[in-house]
Amino acid sequence: KQEVTQIPAALSVPEGENLVLNCSFTDSAIYNLQWFRQDPGKGLTSLLLIQSSQREQTSGRLNASLDKSSGRSTLYIAASQPGDSATYLCAVGTSGSRLTFGEGTQLTVNP
Amino acid sequence: ETGVTQSPTHLIKTRGQQVTLRCSSQSGHNTVSWYQQALGQGPQFIFQYYREEENGRGNFPPRFSGLQFPNYSSELNVNALELDDSALYLCASSLPSRGIRTEAFFGQGTRLTVV
Repeated sequence: KQEVTQIPAALSVPEGENLVLNCSFTDSAIYNLQWFRQDPGKGLTSLLLIQSSQREQTSGRLNASLDKSSGRSTLYIAASQPGDSATYLCAVGTSGSRLTFGEGTQLTVNP
Repeated sequence: ETGVTQSPTHLIKTRGQQVTLRCSSQSGHNTVSWYQQALGQGPQFIFQYYREEENGRGNFPPRFSGLQFPNYSSELNVNALELDDSALYLCASSLPSRGIRTEAFFGQGTRLTVV
């Protein structure tokens, strides 16, 4: 059974800091890995999708890496801003297109 | 905006009642998945529909059922509601291609409260 763990559970940083969110998964037989952002009480916004054959994806200030063999992914956020405050969820895509999610990292960026 | 719309946005039901939640997928997407997200937890996979057929199910009892229509919109039905069914219900649509699992796009969710 696939299990996804995100560390840390919560993170508070000053504005402008670069930060790294971590995601690990137990079964390396994945199709892809997707990072999402969730604002309180809202749905999920897709940030980055990495296919299993790729090593990283970049979008603006965000960079996500994938190491399938070690079962790890990181989301790097450069020059953090208060508007980045949200919960970040990592999800691995497995058979049948289902996503298995971690419990998220709650990020607070202080002005 | 992802193009995935869910209705209603909020709902309050009494224990034992039945509820139907609705989802309109992004244009052209033939696969719809439903997830349950309890407070403070990550979403949990309920089931998926592909071209009107159930295509995988998570660890949820049979009182959770669904439908997908020819226009690829979908419903989630929950019978005999329990207090623990209180959660945010999320719908996601995608368009799988051969050998590649494509990006999933989520709606804003339906907040169900069972009292």
